[in-house]
Amino acid sequence: NAGVTQTPKFQVLKTGQSMTLQCAQDMNHEYMSWYRQDPGMGLRLIHYSVGAGITDQGEVPNGYNVSRSTTEDFPLRLLSAAPSQTSVYFCASSRGTVGNQPQHFGDGTRLSIL
Amino acid sequence: GENVEQHPSTLSVQEGDSAVIKCTYSDSASNYFPWYKQELGKRPQLIIDIRSNVGEKKDQRIAVTLNKTAKHFSLHITETQPEDSAVYFCAATLGLNKFYFGSGTKLNVKP
Repeated sequence: NAGVTQTPKFQVLKTGQSMTLQCAQDMNHEYMSWYRQDPGMGLRLIHYSVGAGITDQGEVPNGYNVSRSTTEDFPLRLLSAAPSQTSVYFCASSRGTVGNQPQHFGDGTRLSIL
Repeated sequence: GENVEQHPSTLSVQEGDSAVIKCTYSDSASNYFPWYKQELGKRPQLIIDIRSNVGEKKDQRIAVTLNKTAKHFSLHITETQPEDSAVYFCAATLGLNKFYFGSGTKLNVKP
């Protein structure tokens, strides 16, 4: 099993550009989530989903959109990138439809906004 | 986030000594408390977790204790080894579906 796969691993954008960070899992997990990790601040929840067709906001949702059309995929969209969105982004998944289960993380996407 | 506070931010110990990292949380309804280890440039990986109906859990050299009344939980690593050097994160659930992470503790085990 591949587990949680994130693409791309690295990306550089200019301010105002848009892009989609991809996340896919092959463990049939219902719960998926996106975090950003900034130095000294741990991981902060951006958006999460408890199943296909269901998404909700986390701690820092502004500037990001998500959708969940299938159980396997949970893409994160930046509509108009800003330098403040420079960060490392992690996708995670867990079994069940609630968040109180062990999270399995992807390898992350390192994003720089110039 | 502010819902989970983690201390210390850095911890340096001699190989073979014990290391203790502490976290406090604000939501009395939190019921799941995982600990993650993150090596430089890698993904966070779960090392141990505890649920609110248990006071202590052990796995070889690693243990976690939970005090629900005081709303704090701690990670204990005994007989530390250089390969334990990493950043450790605690987390707590907010409601059913949200995780809040502590800001991390950089552990350095000196050989």
